[in-house]
Amino acid sequence: DVKVTQSSRYLVKRTGEKVFLECVQDMDHENMFWYRQDPGLGLRLIYFSYDVKMKEKGDIPEGYSVSREKKERFSLILESASTNQTSMYLCGIQGALGQPQHFGDGTRLSIL
Amino acid sequence: AQKITQTQPGMFVQEKEAVTLDCTYDTSDPSYGLFWYKQPSSGEMIFLIYQGSYDQQNATEGRYSLNFQKARKSANLVISASQLGDSAMYFCAMREGSIGAQKLVFGQGTRLTINP
Repeated sequence: DVKVTQSSRYLVKRTGEKVFLECVQDMDHENMFWYRQDPGLGLRLIYFSYDVKMKEKGDIPEGYSVSREKKERFSLILESASTNQTSMYLCGIQGALGQPQHFGDGTRLSIL
Repeated sequence: AQKITQTQPGMFVQEKEAVTLDCTYDTSDPSYGLFWYKQPSSGEMIFLIYQGSYDQQNATEGRYSLNFQKARKSANLVISASQLGDSAMYFCAMREGSIGAQKLVFGQGTRLTINP
């Protein structure tokens, strides 16, 4: 079974804090993704990584950064959290072409 | 322009009926893939079914089938004999191209409610 583990299911932080969301996979896949999910908007891609230390911006990278120092771990960083970053964050992984992305259980992040 | 459009924000269906969830897409790439995911209230995204643009047959997985109409750029999900456990959000997603990281573009989702 594919296992994608996100460090927290629920997280509450304050405006201006630096926030780290962690994602760990056990499938040795190259491709890892961070999305945010908001009602009526579906999932939107923030950043993705296709190899260690490699990253590319997705559709909504502003206010976020990422880190991939090891193949199994992909971190999303909110440098200075703001209330408009309150959302559900989902980490995805993918192997070969045509294979589906598999997701973690999500982190519901609230910025107060 | 929206690449993936799900026009039904919500649907209500009686248990045991079949249900069709609509999805239309927009791409000029001849190689693409279409995915459907289910998201229960607990939040996890569950992969249901996949259709590649070059696949000759419509995809099926148990009670799920994909009505793929390439010329109309539609990829509707059909759930036969619906069950109470099918109540969830459903997302259609598309992957474009055949090389590199396989980014997905998602639709807005359809919330399906199965009534007993």
